[in-house]
Amino acid sequence: KNEVEQSPQNLTAQEGEFITINCSYSVGISALHWLQQHPGGGIVSLFMLSSGKKKHGRLIATINIQEKHSSLHITASHPRDSAVYICAVKRFIQGGSEKLVFGKGMKLTVNP
Amino acid sequence: GAVVSQHPSWVICKSGTSVKIECRSLDFQATTMFWYRQFPKQSLMLMATSNEGSKATYEQGVEKDKFLINHASLTLSTLTVTSAHPEDSSFYICSSQETSDYEQYFGPGTRLTVT
Repeated sequence: KNEVEQSPQNLTAQEGEFITINCSYSVGISALHWLQQHPGGGIVSLFMLSSGKKKHGRLIATINIQEKHSSLHITASHPRDSAVYICAVKRFIQGGSEKLVFGKGMKLTVNP
Repeated sequence: GAVVSQHPSWVICKSGTSVKIECRSLDFQATTMFWYRQFPKQSLMLMATSNEGSKATYEQGVEKDKFLINHASLTLSTLTVTSAHPEDSSFYICSSQETSDYEQYFGPGTRLTVT
C-alpha cells in the first residue's frame, strides 16, 4: 500500500464546477504539499500545510492531522486549471531528517 | 515568490556521453537541494539529497558514480549523468529547501533524451 493515496486518479469537469481532490496518508508527517504539474512538466508548489486551512485565489487546501487526510478544492474551475495535482507529505526518516513522499497525482481536465 | 531555475530545460545526447544539469535558487539560499526523477505517467522519485559543502546522500538503487551531484554553493547544485544510456532518459527535477523556513521550491525540470 502506498504511503500517500490520492483520489480520484482522473477527473473531467466542466468549466465553472467546484472540484475536490483528496489525499490520504498513512505515516507521521511534519507537513503536506499540494503541487501542480502542467503538461510541459514543470512543477508549481501550491500550498504547504501542517494544520488547518489555507486559501489562495480560487484554491483552498485543508488538512485533518487526526484523520491523516487533506483536500484541495478548486472553485469556479477553468480550463487553465487542467493539470496533474500531486499530494506530497514530508515524513520523518531515520537520523532525524525528513523527505517528501509523493502521491501518484490526479489528472484534472476542465472542459470549456 | 521563491524561484528555482534549471538549465538546460531539455537535452538530447548520445549514449556514452555525459550531461550536466544545473539547479539554481535565484532569490534565496538553500542549504539542501533535492534531485528527483520522473518517468512517464509516474510519480517523482527522490534520487539524492545534497547539502551545501558536503557529499550527497543517495537513495537506495541510485548509483552515485553514475549520477554525480555537486552542491558547491548555497544557490547552485549540479547533477551530472555520466556515460548516459537510453534508460537514463527521463524528466529530472530539482528542488531547493529554503534555509530560513524550510519551504521547498521546485525547478521546472530538465527532459533528458539519450539516443
